[in-house]
Amino acid sequence: GGIITQTPKFLIGQEGQKLTLKCQQNFNHDTMYWYRQDSGKGLRLIYYSITENDLQKGDLSEGYDASREKKSSFSLTVTSAQKNEMAVFLCASSIGTGGYEQYFGPGTRLTVL
Amino acid sequence: GQQVKQSSPSLTVQEGGISILNCDYENDMFDYFAWYKKYPDNSPTLLISVRSNVDKREDGRLTVFLNKSGKHFSLHITASQPEDTAVYLCAAVLNNNNAPRFGAGTKLSVKP
Repeated sequence: GGIITQTPKFLIGQEGQKLTLKCQQNFNHDTMYWYRQDSGKGLRLIYYSITENDLQKGDLSEGYDASREKKSSFSLTVTSAQKNEMAVFLCASSIGTGGYEQYFGPGTRLTVL
Repeated sequence: GQQVKQSSPSLTVQEGGISILNCDYENDMFDYFAWYKKYPDNSPTLLISVRSNVDKREDGRLTVFLNKSGKHFSLHITASQPEDTAVYLCAAVLNNNNAPRFGAGTKLSVKP
C-alpha cells in the first residue's frame, strides 16, 4: 500500500498573497495531479505531471503555478490569492500515464481573508 | 465548458432499491470512464471503471453501463444500503490525454 500526504491541512492567507501547497506520495506513481473542489462544481483540474520535471496545464491553470520537483512530490502555488478563492485543493496520483485509478490525498482547505 | 456533466445534484432512494446515477460527456474521444465515491470530509476513492471497448461491467452490487453513441454512462447500485449514502463523482479520460475530468457529483441518500 501507499499514502498521499498533503500539507498544510488548513491554509489561511491574505488577499494578494502567494501561497504554496505541497503533496507527497509513496506509491511510486508516475502521474500526479492537482484539483480544486468547490461546492457544487466537483473537481476541476489545475495542473498535472506525468513524470519528474514535467508539467501539463489543466482546465483551471490561470492564477496557479506548479512544480514536480521529484517523482514523489508535486507542489502547487497560488500566485496571488483572491477573496473568492476558498476551496479544497486535492492532490492525486496514478500509476502509469493513462489517468487510470487515481488515489487522492486528504486535501488542503484554503481560506483567503 | 464542462466536459463531463452530472445533471442531478441529488438522489434519494429507499433501502433495498436500485440507485441509478447518470453522467454525460461531450467529447467522443473519451475512452475510459470511472465512478468515484466520496464521503463527507473524505477524499474520493475509485469504485468501478470501464474502457470504451465494453458497454457494461459488473462488480457485486455495482454495474456501469456505457452508451457511447449517446455519450452517456451510468452507475447502477442494486440493493441500496444506508452506507451507500455518499457523493458519487463520474470521471472520464481522453484517449490522447492523461488526466481525468470529473462531473460535479450526485449526492445519494439511501433512506432506511
